[in-house]
Amino acid sequence: EVKLLESGGGLVQPGGSMRLSCAASGFTFTDFYMYWIRQPAGKAPEWLGFIRNKANGYTTEYNPSVKGRFTISRDNTQNMLYLQMNTLRAEDTATYYCARGGGPFAYWGQGTLVTVSS
Amino acid sequence: DVVMTQTPPSLSVAIGQSVSISCKSSQSLVASDKNTYLNWLLQSPGRSPKRLIYQVSKLDSGVPDRFSGSGSEKDFTLKISRVEAEDLGVYYCLQGTHLPYTFGAGTKLELK
Repeated sequence: EVKLLESGGGLVQPGGSMRLSCAASGFTFTDFYMYWIRQPAGKAPEWLGFIRNKANGYTTEYNPSVKGRFTISRDNTQNMLYLQMNTLRAEDTATYYCARGGGPFAYWGQGTLVTVSS
Repeated sequence: DVVMTQTPPSLSVAIGQSVSISCKSSQSLVASDKNTYLNWLLQSPGRSPKRLIYQVSKLDSGVPDRFSGSGSEKDFTLKISRVEAEDLGVYYCLQGTHLPYTFGAGTKLELK
C-alpha cells in the first residue's frame, strides 16, 4: 500500500525558514517523480514543483511563484522527500502535501499545516 | 501559465441527480507525446484531494462508473450520473501538460 506522510509544519515567523518532510512507503521510491503541492485554507491547490526519478537524474522543476525560495530534495536511502522553504511570507501559509508521480497525483499525503505569522 | 477556468463555482444537487462540471484551459493540453494530461480530483471535507480521472477520461481504480470525463484540446467536462452523498465536496481540474502545472478554482458540490 502506498503511503505518504508529511511532517515538519507549524508556526514560523515571516522571513524564517522551515523544512518539510514526506516519508514514503509501499513502492520503489527511486522509480517515481515526487511532487509538492500546497493549499491555502478555502482555496485551490497550487503545484510547487517536483523532483524526477532515478532514470531522469533526480532533477527538479519549480513553480516560478516559489523558485529561488523553495528547494525540493530527496534521500533515496531513507525514502524521504523534503521541501526546504526560505524567506517565508504570510502568503505561504497553507497546508502542504506531497504526492507521488507515475500516474501523477494519484497518491497524496494527509498534509502538514504551515503558518507564517509573527 | 495555463489558466484553468472551471464552471460553475458551485452546484446544489439532489441525490440521484446528474451534474456536469466544465473546465476550459487557456492553451491546448495536448502534449508532445500526443497524450492530454487533464485530471479531475475530488476533495471531500477535511480530506486530501483524491484523483478520480486522468488523461481526460480514464477512471482511477475504485472510482464508480457514475463518473465520466470527456473533452479535448482546451475544453473538458466531468459528468456525475446519479449523485450520491459520498460525491459531495470540491472538484478540481488539474492540467499536467505544461509547466507549471495548474489547477482550476474548484466546483463545490452541495446537497440541495
